[in-house]
Amino acid sequence: QVQLQESGPGLVKPSETLSLTCIVSGNSIRSGHYWGWIRQPPGKGLEWIGNIYHSGSTSYNPSLKSRVTISVDTSKNQFSLKLSSVTAADTAVYYCARSSGYCTDGVCYGYFDYWGQGTLVTVSS
Amino acid sequence: EIVLTQSPDTLSLSPGERATLSCRASQSVSSSYLAWYQQKPGQAPRLLIYGASSRATGIPDRFSGSGSGTDFTLTISRLEPEDFAVYYCQQYGSSSWTFGQGTKVEIK
Repeated sequence: QVQLQESGPGLVKPSETLSLTCIVSGNSIRSGHYWGWIRQPPGKGLEWIGNIYHSGSTSYNPSLKSRVTISVDTSKNQFSLKLSSVTAADTAVYYCARSSGYCTDGVCYGYFDYWGQGTLVTVSS
Repeated sequence: EIVLTQSPDTLSLSPGERATLSCRASQSVSSSYLAWYQQKPGQAPRLLIYGASSRATGIPDRFSGSGSGTDFTLTISRLEPEDFAVYYCQQYGSSSWTFGQGTKVEIK
Protein backbone atom coordinates (compact mmCIF):
# COMPACT_ATOMS: atom_id res chain seq x y z
CA GLN A 1 0.00 0.00 0.00
CA VAL A 2 1.37 3.38 -1.02
CA GLN A 3 1.81 5.74 1.91
CA LEU A 4 3.10 9.30 2.05
CA GLN A 5 4.01 11.20 5.20
CA GLU A 6 4.81 14.90 5.44
CA SER A 7 7.21 16.23 8.04
CA GLY A 8 8.60 19.62 8.95
CA PRO A 9 8.16 22.61 11.23
CA GLY A 10 4.61 23.62 12.03
CA LEU A 11 5.54 27.25 12.61
CA VAL A 12 7.59 29.49 10.31
CA LYS A 13 8.37 33.17 10.75
CA PRO A 14 7.42 35.71 8.07
CA SER A 15 10.09 36.25 5.39
CA GLU A 16 11.72 32.90 6.21
CA THR A 17 11.72 29.68 4.19
CA LEU A 18 9.18 26.92 4.71
CA SER A 19 10.72 23.45 4.35
CA LEU A 20 8.82 20.17 4.24
CA THR A 21 9.75 16.60 3.39
CA CYS A 22 7.54 13.79 2.15
CA ILE A 23 8.62 10.21 2.86
CA VAL A 24 7.18 7.64 0.48
CA SER A 25 6.67 4.01 1.45
CA GLY A 26 5.15 1.08 -0.41
CA ASN A 27 6.23 2.53 -3.78
CA SER A 28 9.60 3.39 -5.20
CA ILE A 29 9.98 7.05 -6.00
CA ARG A 30 11.60 5.81 -9.22
CA SER A 31 8.39 3.99 -10.18
CA GLY A 32 7.53 6.27 -13.09
CA HIS A 33 5.06 8.43 -11.21
CA TYR A 34 5.35 12.12 -10.49
CA TRP A 35 5.31 13.44 -6.95
CA GLY A 36 3.60 16.66 -5.98
CA TRP A 37 2.71 19.21 -3.35
CA ILE A 38 -0.72 20.76 -2.82
CA ARG A 39 -1.81 23.19 -0.13
CA GLN A 40 -5.09 24.22 1.46
CA PRO A 41 -5.48 27.40 3.55
CA PRO A 42 -7.75 26.90 6.58
CA GLY A 43 -11.37 26.72 5.46
CA LYS A 44 -10.48 27.21 1.80
CA GLY A 45 -9.88 25.20 -1.37
CA LEU A 46 -6.94 23.33 -2.83
CA GLU A 47 -3.98 24.87 -4.66
CA TRP A 48 -1.46 22.90 -6.69
CA ILE A 49 2.13 23.92 -5.87
CA GLY A 50 4.23 21.73 -8.15
CA ASN A 51 5.50 18.29 -9.14
CA ILE A 52 8.79 16.46 -9.53
CA TYR A 53 9.97 13.32 -11.33
CA HIS A 54 12.72 11.08 -9.96
CA SER A 55 15.05 12.49 -12.61
CA GLY A 56 14.67 15.89 -10.98
CA SER A 57 12.45 17.36 -13.68
CA THR A 58 9.97 19.80 -12.15
CA SER A 59 6.83 21.76 -12.96
CA TYR A 60 5.51 24.59 -10.81
CA ASN A 61 2.40 26.68 -10.37
CA PRO A 62 3.25 29.94 -12.17
CA SER A 63 1.85 31.98 -9.28
CA LEU A 64 4.38 30.42 -6.87
CA LYS A 65 7.22 29.56 -9.23
CA SER A 66 9.54 32.39 -8.13
CA ARG A 67 9.48 31.15 -4.51
CA VAL A 68 9.21 27.36 -4.84
CA THR A 69 11.84 24.65 -5.09
CA ILE A 70 10.94 20.96 -5.14
CA SER A 71 13.73 18.40 -4.94
CA VAL A 72 14.00 14.62 -4.74
CA ASP A 73 16.29 12.23 -2.85
CA THR A 74 15.93 8.82 -4.46
CA SER A 75 18.30 7.17 -1.96
CA LYS A 76 15.87 8.02 0.86
CA ASN A 77 12.70 7.60 -1.25
CA GLN A 78 11.57 11.10 -0.40
CA PHE A 79 11.01 14.50 -1.91
CA SER A 80 10.98 17.98 -0.45
CA LEU A 81 9.41 21.40 -0.73
CA LYS A 82 10.97 24.78 -0.04
CA LEU A 83 8.90 27.95 -0.17
CA SER A 84 10.81 31.16 0.39
CA SER A 85 9.82 34.59 1.69
CA VAL A 86 6.67 33.31 3.34
CA THR A 87 3.85 35.53 4.59
CA ALA A 88 0.66 34.85 6.52
CA ALA A 89 -1.01 34.02 3.20
CA ASP A 90 1.14 30.88 3.03
CA THR A 91 -0.48 29.48 6.17
CA ALA A 92 -2.08 26.24 5.06
CA VAL A 93 -2.25 22.50 5.35
CA TYR A 94 0.41 21.18 3.00
CA TYR A 95 -0.16 17.81 1.33
CA CYS A 96 2.25 15.65 -0.60
CA ALA A 97 0.77 13.29 -3.16
CA ARG A 98 1.56 10.82 -5.93
CA SER A 99 0.56 11.83 -9.43
CA SER A 100 -0.35 9.28 -12.07
CA GLY A 101 0.08 10.55 -15.60
CA TYR A 102 2.82 11.51 -17.97
CA CYS A 103 4.85 14.40 -19.27
CA THR A 104 5.52 15.30 -22.86
CA ASP A 105 7.12 18.33 -24.49
CA GLY A 106 7.69 19.82 -21.06
CA VAL A 107 4.03 19.66 -20.02
CA CYS A 108 2.76 17.19 -17.41
CA TYR A 109 -0.71 15.67 -17.27
CA GLY A 110 -1.73 13.82 -14.11
CA TYR A 111 -4.13 13.42 -11.23
CA PHE A 112 -3.33 12.70 -7.58
CA ASP A 113 -4.18 9.14 -6.56
CA TYR A 114 -2.41 8.86 -3.20
CA TRP A 115 -2.15 11.63 -0.62
CA GLY A 116 -0.36 12.17 2.66
CA GLN A 117 -2.42 13.11 5.71
CA GLY A 118 -1.29 16.73 5.46
CA THR A 119 0.61 18.98 7.84
CA LEU A 120 -0.45 22.42 9.03
CA VAL A 121 2.15 25.13 8.61
CA THR A 122 1.45 28.45 10.27
CA VAL A 123 3.35 31.58 9.30
CA SER A 124 3.57 33.87 12.30
CA SER A 125 6.14 35.77 14.31
CA GLU B 1 -4.55 29.40 -16.39
CA ILE B 2 -7.79 27.44 -16.62
CA VAL B 3 -10.30 28.56 -13.98
CA LEU B 4 -12.74 25.93 -12.74
CA THR B 5 -16.08 27.08 -11.32
CA GLN B 6 -18.12 24.55 -9.37
CA SER B 7 -21.83 24.83 -8.73
CA PRO B 8 -23.66 24.93 -6.52
CA ASP B 9 -21.48 25.98 -3.60
CA THR B 10 -23.69 23.92 -1.28
CA LEU B 11 -26.10 21.10 -2.04
CA SER B 12 -28.59 20.12 0.68
CA LEU B 13 -29.98 16.62 0.13
CA SER B 14 -31.27 13.62 2.05
CA PRO B 15 -29.73 10.13 2.11
CA GLY B 16 -30.98 8.14 -0.85
CA GLU B 17 -31.34 11.18 -3.09
CA ARG B 18 -29.39 11.84 -6.27
CA ALA B 19 -26.64 14.49 -6.25
CA THR B 20 -25.53 16.32 -9.38
CA LEU B 21 -22.42 18.51 -9.11
CA SER B 22 -21.17 20.75 -11.90
CA CYS B 23 -17.67 21.88 -12.84
CA ARG B 24 -17.28 24.45 -15.61
CA ALA B 25 -13.91 25.40 -17.11
CA SER B 26 -12.95 28.82 -18.46
CA GLN B 27 -11.52 27.09 -21.55
CA SER B 28 -11.63 23.61 -22.99
CA VAL B 29 -9.91 20.94 -20.90
CA SER B 30 -7.53 18.96 -23.07
CA SER B 31 -8.40 15.29 -23.58
CA SER B 32 -10.97 15.42 -20.76
CA TYR B 33 -8.17 15.54 -18.24
CA LEU B 34 -10.49 16.23 -15.34
CA ALA B 35 -10.57 14.57 -11.91
CA TRP B 36 -12.96 14.64 -8.97
CA TYR B 37 -11.99 14.33 -5.29
CA GLN B 38 -13.95 13.90 -2.07
CA GLN B 39 -12.74 15.52 1.14
CA LYS B 40 -14.10 14.96 4.62
CA PRO B 41 -13.25 17.23 7.58
CA GLY B 42 -9.71 16.72 8.83
CA GLN B 43 -8.85 14.31 6.02
CA ALA B 44 -6.87 14.47 2.81
CA PRO B 45 -8.79 14.50 -0.47
CA ARG B 46 -9.60 11.11 -2.00
CA LEU B 47 -9.56 10.52 -5.73
CA LEU B 48 -12.96 9.48 -7.08
CA ILE B 49 -12.84 10.03 -10.85
CA TYR B 50 -10.09 10.69 -13.41
CA GLY B 51 -10.22 11.23 -17.14
CA ALA B 52 -13.66 12.78 -16.59
CA SER B 53 -15.42 9.40 -16.30
CA SER B 54 -13.08 6.66 -15.02
CA ARG B 55 -13.67 5.55 -11.45
CA ALA B 56 -10.59 5.22 -9.27
CA THR B 57 -9.78 1.92 -7.59
CA GLY B 58 -12.28 0.98 -4.89
CA ILE B 59 -14.78 3.74 -5.64
CA PRO B 60 -18.41 2.55 -5.52
CA ASP B 61 -20.36 2.59 -8.77
CA ARG B 62 -22.88 5.07 -7.37
CA PHE B 63 -20.24 7.68 -8.26
CA SER B 64 -20.06 8.57 -11.95
CA GLY B 65 -18.45 11.33 -13.97
CA SER B 66 -19.31 12.74 -17.36
CA GLY B 67 -18.65 15.66 -19.64
CA SER B 68 -16.07 17.07 -22.01
CA GLY B 69 -14.74 20.37 -23.25
CA THR B 70 -15.73 22.93 -20.64
CA ASP B 71 -18.63 21.22 -18.82
CA PHE B 72 -18.25 18.30 -16.45
CA THR B 73 -20.57 16.60 -13.98
CA LEU B 74 -20.16 14.34 -10.97
CA THR B 75 -23.26 12.32 -10.13
CA ILE B 76 -23.88 10.37 -6.95
CA SER B 77 -26.85 8.16 -7.78
CA ARG B 78 -28.05 7.48 -4.23
CA LEU B 79 -26.45 9.34 -1.37
CA GLU B 80 -25.12 7.24 1.47
CA PRO B 81 -24.43 8.80 4.91
CA GLU B 82 -20.68 8.66 4.26
CA ASP B 83 -21.02 10.69 1.02
CA PHE B 84 -21.73 13.97 2.78
CA ALA B 85 -18.50 15.86 2.21
CA VAL B 86 -16.85 18.52 0.03
CA TYR B 87 -16.13 17.65 -3.59
CA TYR B 88 -13.46 19.26 -5.77
CA CYS B 89 -12.78 19.04 -9.48
CA GLN B 90 -9.25 19.38 -10.86
CA GLN B 91 -8.04 19.87 -14.42
CA TYR B 92 -4.67 18.52 -15.43
CA GLY B 93 -4.81 19.17 -19.16
CA SER B 94 -2.58 22.20 -19.16
CA SER B 95 0.83 23.15 -17.85
CA SER B 96 -0.73 24.66 -14.71
CA TRP B 97 -3.09 22.36 -12.83
CA THR B 98 -6.04 23.98 -11.08
CA PHE B 99 -8.85 23.01 -8.71
CA GLY B 100 -12.40 24.23 -8.43
CA GLN B 101 -13.50 25.99 -5.26
CA GLY B 102 -15.48 22.96 -4.06
CA THR B 103 -19.11 21.93 -3.57
CA LYS B 104 -20.29 20.95 -0.11
CA VAL B 105 -22.90 18.19 -0.03
CA GLU B 106 -24.71 18.48 3.28
CA ILE B 107 -27.52 16.60 4.94
CA LYS B 108 -30.88 18.27 4.52
